[in-house]
Amino acid sequence: QVLLVQSGSELKKPGASVKVSCKASGYTFTGYAINWVRQTPGQGLEWMGWIDTNTGNPSYVQAFRGRSVLSSDTSVSTAYLQISSLKAEDTGVYYCVRDGWRDCGRATCLDYWGQGTLVTVSS
Amino acid sequence: QSVVTQPTSASGTPGQRVTISCSGGTSNFGSANVQWFQQLPGTAPKLLIYNNNQRPAGVPDRFSGSKSGTSASLAISGLQSEDEADYFCAPWDDRLNTWVFGGGTKLTVL
Repeated sequence: QVLLVQSGSELKKPGASVKVSCKASGYTFTGYAINWVRQTPGQGLEWMGWIDTNTGNPSYVQAFRGRSVLSSDTSVSTAYLQISSLKAEDTGVYYCVRDGWRDCGRATCLDYWGQGTLVTVSS
Repeated sequence: QSVVTQPTSASGTPGQRVTISCSGGTSNFGSANVQWFQQLPGTAPKLLIYNNNQRPAGVPDRFSGSKSGTSASLAISGLQSEDEADYFCAPWDDRLNTWVFGGGTKLTVL
């Protein structure tokens, strides 16, 4: 079965960086893009961007461009989200999400979600 | 603050039919694709509806989606206690080139 397993919770100080991993299994990793979604109490769910796991090419939503880097390693079927210069308002749960377009009639669908990684930014 | 609006709460009794609305503008409802997600407490969201009205395998046909003009709706028929959760809509916004999530509707089964 399709599984996305994320790395564990992180506690970081303002100004630090964090790297969240998302290991995929149960399907061909390079056949489906991986999206990243943030959930915070203040802003709710926010789509951050996505990475084409076949080419490694990332695409960012304007609000997350600059401090966020999406990457992937096909040898270990893992996608990564790195955020630098962390601020208190970055505190939230970060999800990796598969785009299941092949299984959704070629329509984009966020079909499988990782369990989420809580990132807490506090001094 | 989301550009897509949902009621903050909804409720119903077991067996009832409940509808949750999601409204926005032409930039985010002009194109076809609206998704709906269910989030149980302490868990990740789960895809319920994609492409306005399509259900992924495994989602009961009690859940249905529709879109008209600049709004969309999720209907849940035969309400069950396990349907108590937060529900989010997410249309694609052509102007922002992003998925835009609604603020979520907390469904209570009385």
